[in-house]
Amino acid sequence: DTEVTQTPKHLVMGMTNKKSLKCEQHMGHRAMYWYKQKAKKPPELMFVYSYEKLSINESVPSRFSPECPNSSLLNLHLHALQPEDSALYLCASSQDLLPTDTQYFGPGTRLTVL
Amino acid sequence: EDQVTQSPEALRLQEGESSSLNCSYTVSGLRGLFWYRQDPGKGPEFLFTLYSAGEEKEKERLKATLTKKESFLHITAPKPEDSATYLCAVQVSDTGNQFYFGTGTSLTVIP
Repeated sequence: DTEVTQTPKHLVMGMTNKKSLKCEQHMGHRAMYWYKQKAKKPPELMFVYSYEKLSINESVPSRFSPECPNSSLLNLHLHALQPEDSALYLCASSQDLLPTDTQYFGPGTRLTVL
Repeated sequence: EDQVTQSPEALRLQEGESSSLNCSYTVSGLRGLFWYRQDPGKGPEFLFTLYSAGEEKEKERLKATLTKKESFLHITAPKPEDSATYLCAVQVSDTGNQFYFGTGTSLTVIP
């Protein structure tokens, strides 16, 4: 089983709202990722967690706040977003951070900021 | 500077018309090259991983190959359900699993 689940599938929020995206995997993977993908563009890495600790933060604005409560869960807390933050947000996981580890992606959350 | 380029940007094929997609890379120390398929509005679906020049992998109508400078995804006798965007990604770091994605090839197979 190589399933990564994400909720919600769609989210519409105003610029003053606070919301959270959730990601879950039960493959025993120890690395988890958040990506942002705009239309007709490749995914852009935002954050990487390894063994529940933040490993990489790609200079993402502070209005995006990641959280890894345990090895199976990854959250992305959203606050005071801008319309340009509207995108498909993808979660992925891999066995570890080894160069040969495949990343498995979830279906994504389509976020619209009004 | 590490770079990953995919061509063509878009490809239209008749059903049954075989073709190849290209992923060329200029990186130092390739550790792995990954192919994904992405349907509109969905997450990338893993297809193949290639680790060394000369390696080939096959799955149904798809075959991926790797040289020292590029990878090809060959599609034999495609069907309309093969229509999707195909992404390649390379991994170059020994200290983290950071992907460099190409911009993708949008494939349309016409019945």
